[in-house]
Amino acid sequence: EAQVTQNPRYLITVTGKKLTVTCSQNMNHEYMSWYRQDPGLGLRQIYYSMNVEVTDKGDVPEGYKVSRKEKRNFPLILESPSPNQTSLYFCASSPATFREKLFFGSGTQLSVL
Amino acid sequence: GENVEQHPSTLSVQEGDSAVIKCTYSDSASNYFPWYKQELGKGPQLIIDIRSNVGEKKDQRIAVTLNKTAKHFSLHITETQPEDSAVYFCAASIQAGGSYIPTFGRGTSLIVHP
Repeated sequence: EAQVTQNPRYLITVTGKKLTVTCSQNMNHEYMSWYRQDPGLGLRQIYYSMNVEVTDKGDVPEGYKVSRKEKRNFPLILESPSPNQTSLYFCASSPATFREKLFFGSGTQLSVL
Repeated sequence: GENVEQHPSTLSVQEGDSAVIKCTYSDSASNYFPWYKQELGKGPQLIIDIRSNVGEKKDQRIAVTLNKTAKHFSLHITETQPEDSAVYFCAASIQAGGSYIPTFGRGTSLIVHP
C-alpha cells in the first residue's frame, strides 16, 4: 500500500530534551516536506526537500532541523524543544512529475511540557 | 509572500443541503489551487484541484470554481452526506525555480447533520 508513515503518533516530552520524528514514504517520491498544524492557523510548512541531500526552509523553520540522506526518509529533529512547538505535525511527499499533489502522513501530536 | 484567506471557519448544514467554502489569495502569480479534506485523526487528502487556465472543475458531488480576476476560488459540495463532515483546506501555490511552497488557508470545519 502506498503511504507516508510517521512515528510516533503521539509524543509527550519536556523542554530541552532532543527528539526526532521519523517519516518514511514507499512511493519513490522525490519531494518531501514537514508541516505543523495549529488551531486557527492551518498548515504551515517547516522544511522541504526536493531530493536527497537537498533541503530548504519553509515558512516556520526556527527550532527545527531536517536531513535527507535517503530518498524514502525525511526525519524532523527538534534539538531543544520548547512549549511553543507543541503542535500536530505532518509529513508529506509528492512525485517530481506532480510536485503539487501532496500525500500526507497520519500526523504526530507533540506536547512539550 | 502569498496570503490565503478561507471562510467560513465553521459551516453547519443539514444532510442533502449544499455547502460552499470560499478562499481568496493575494499573489496573482499563483497558478495551482488544491483542496484537501482532513478527517478526524488523519492527514489531509487531496480531493480536487484546479489550475489557473481553467474556470471550473467537477468531480461527482464536488466542484471548484476559480475567478482569477477577483483572485478567489470556491469549493462546492452538493447533496451533502454525514461522511462529508471534516476539515477542508484550500491552498494556493506557484512554482519558483523548481521549488514548491504552498500556502494553506486556515481551514473550514464542515459539519453535516443527519
